[in-house]
Amino acid sequence: GQSLEQPSEVTAVEGAIVQINCTYQTSGFYGLSWYQQHDGGAPTFLSYNGLDGLEETGRFSSFLSRSDSYGYLLLQELQMKDSASYFCAVRALDSNYQLIWGAGTKLIIKP
Amino acid sequence: EAGVTQFPSHSVIEKGQTVTLRCDPISGHDNLYWYRRVMGKEIKFLLHFVKESKQDESGMPNNRFLAERTGGTYSTLKVQPAELEDSGVYFCASSQTDRNTEAFFGQGTRLTVV
Repeated sequence: GQSLEQPSEVTAVEGAIVQINCTYQTSGFYGLSWYQQHDGGAPTFLSYNGLDGLEETGRFSSFLSRSDSYGYLLLQELQMKDSASYFCAVRALDSNYQLIWGAGTKLIIKP
Repeated sequence: EAGVTQFPSHSVIEKGQTVTLRCDPISGHDNLYWYRRVMGKEIKFLLHFVKESKQDESGMPNNRFLAERTGGTYSTLKVQPAELEDSGVYFCASSQTDRNTEAFFGQGTRLTVV
């Protein structure tokens, strides 16, 4: 079956770098997306990886290794406003290409 | 440009009652999705519309859930009769293409069934 694993919570210090990992198990992998959600808010798209390697968008980067069924989101120069939940989501053949989501990682940033 | 809007933002109903959730997607987005997140768990896919047609409804939990998108614009999701396990946050999202990597989400409707 399909499954995604990501840590439930990560704590980091303002100004630091943090990496949120995501491992997945699925068939017919198509791509890995990352979304950010602040409490009570809408999930917001951050990045997408369809091919192996690193995608960079400002302070955020996302990495994918299809052979390892693994990806991560890297957040640099952490700011207090980055405190939120981060979700990885996979699109795959065995889900009719619909997004399958992880349970989310709550990122806590301390001053 | 207006984003995806959902109404109501919160709803508290008694078991056995009916609730209808509404979603207005971004104008011009043919693809509309419904998702649900039960407390602390993953977001789960419910249904995908392309214009007014149901492209994929494999995530709908049972026949107490009915989604419509008449005219291919806004969509409604009706739960009738509601059960306790239906509680959660219902998200709507829209996108321009069906394989689009980026979907735009509404803020969700928090449904509590008591």
